[in-house]
Amino acid sequence: EDQVTQSPEALRLQEGESSSLNCSYTVSGLRGLFWYRQDPGKGPEFLFTLYSAGEEKEKERLKATLTKKESFLHITAPKPEDSATYLCAVQASSGSARQLTFGSGTQLTVLP
Amino acid sequence: DAGITQSPRHKVTETGTPVTLRCHQTENHRYMYWYRQDPGHGLRLIHYSYGVKDTDKGEVSDGYSVSRSKTEDFLLTLESATSSQTSVYFCAISALGPRDYGYTFGSGTRLTVV
Repeated sequence: EDQVTQSPEALRLQEGESSSLNCSYTVSGLRGLFWYRQDPGKGPEFLFTLYSAGEEKEKERLKATLTKKESFLHITAPKPEDSATYLCAVQASSGSARQLTFGSGTQLTVLP
Repeated sequence: DAGITQSPRHKVTETGTPVTLRCHQTENHRYMYWYRQDPGHGLRLIHYSYGVKDTDKGEVSDGYSVSRSKTEDFLLTLESATSSQTSVYFCAISALGPRDYGYTFGSGTRLTVV
């Protein structure tokens, strides 16, 4: 059974204080690992897809990295508008394709 | 969200009544999904569709059925609503699968079963 565990559950940062969110996963062959951002009352918004260990992707203040067992979402010099819940999900290469298994998310609050 | 709409946005219903949630897309994407989101559980897949009249069960399909008679519409039905089905329901769409595109999610339907 595919599993995704995110930590911490909640994180409070001061504006400009860099940090990282963790996503640990077990999957029967990784087809892709996905990061989403979710604002209150809205659906998740796609951020990144990572496919193989060692891969990195960046978008503004966010950088996602991938190893064989976990992924990190690094937030550099965050701003209050980065406050949101960040979701990690994996897609297995075996079995029914397309569906994603999600973690419970990390709720990030950036204080001005 | 652009290209995908869910209706209704909010609904309160009584235990034992049937409920249908609608997902409508204008992107002509092949794949459509229904997820539920609950505190501590994250997003869990209920059912998905890989084409008109082609559907399959997800992780938490008991008590739910789906139908897709047109590319643009994917309906989720709770035949007899229970309090455990109180949740936020999200529809998502995908073109060839989430590779490089990710899913596009709707804004969600908050369902309360009393």
